[in-house]
Amino acid sequence: QQQVKQSPQSLIVQKGGISIINCAYENTAFDYFPWYQQFPGKGPALLIAIRPDVSEKKEGRFTISFNKSAKQFSLHIMDSQPGDSATYFCAASSGYKLSFGAGTTVTVRA
Amino acid sequence: NAGVTQTPKFRVLKTGQSMTLLCAQDMNHEYMYWYRQDPGMGLRLIHYSVGEGTTAKGEVPDGYNVSRLKKQNFLLGLESAAPSQTSVYFCASSLRASYNEQFFGPGTRLTVL
Repeated sequence: QQQVKQSPQSLIVQKGGISIINCAYENTAFDYFPWYQQFPGKGPALLIAIRPDVSEKKEGRFTISFNKSAKQFSLHIMDSQPGDSATYFCAASSGYKLSFGAGTTVTVRA
Repeated sequence: NAGVTQTPKFRVLKTGQSMTLLCAQDMNHEYMYWYRQDPGMGLRLIHYSVGEGTTAKGEVPDGYNVSRLKKQNFLLGLESAAPSQTSVYFCASSLRASYNEQFFGPGTRLTVL
């Protein structure tokens, strides 16, 4: 049983549009919420991460929104570019072990 | 600085055969992990190690064994491969425990016939 539920499974967005991926968790002991980006044939790489003491974190065109009371967090990709086409995984941890969501494949159409 | 490397990149096994996947990291990280990635399942932790000479079970350990005799290497073994072990295997490492980035290798695609 996955501890982190991620949706949607896939999405298509036009260049310049906004991509939104949502994740939900149950374990209130989780205290670190990273997002990983994976290109075909490659290993995942850390994109951005947040701790539950803040509600939002922005790095360039990528923003994490965090709602502690709802136990939900989301990734927003602003001004989506073809180079953002990849699979995105949310994750959560309370220590060194990460629990991953199922992944969202994002396709950005030029 | 190569980061995390994995060998081999691809492998095809017959049911019942055994093999070892090798992971090496040159970042002097204490923590190392083995994951498997299956469609629609995300990444699931198989085994992990919190330091040289230590190993522990993750979420899906059955059918796998691991060893960490040297700090920089983490080996994943399949003693008797089964078709259900067809997957892409990723090794990762991290410097510290909490709030810490895990660095992933490029993966090994394993097919068990």
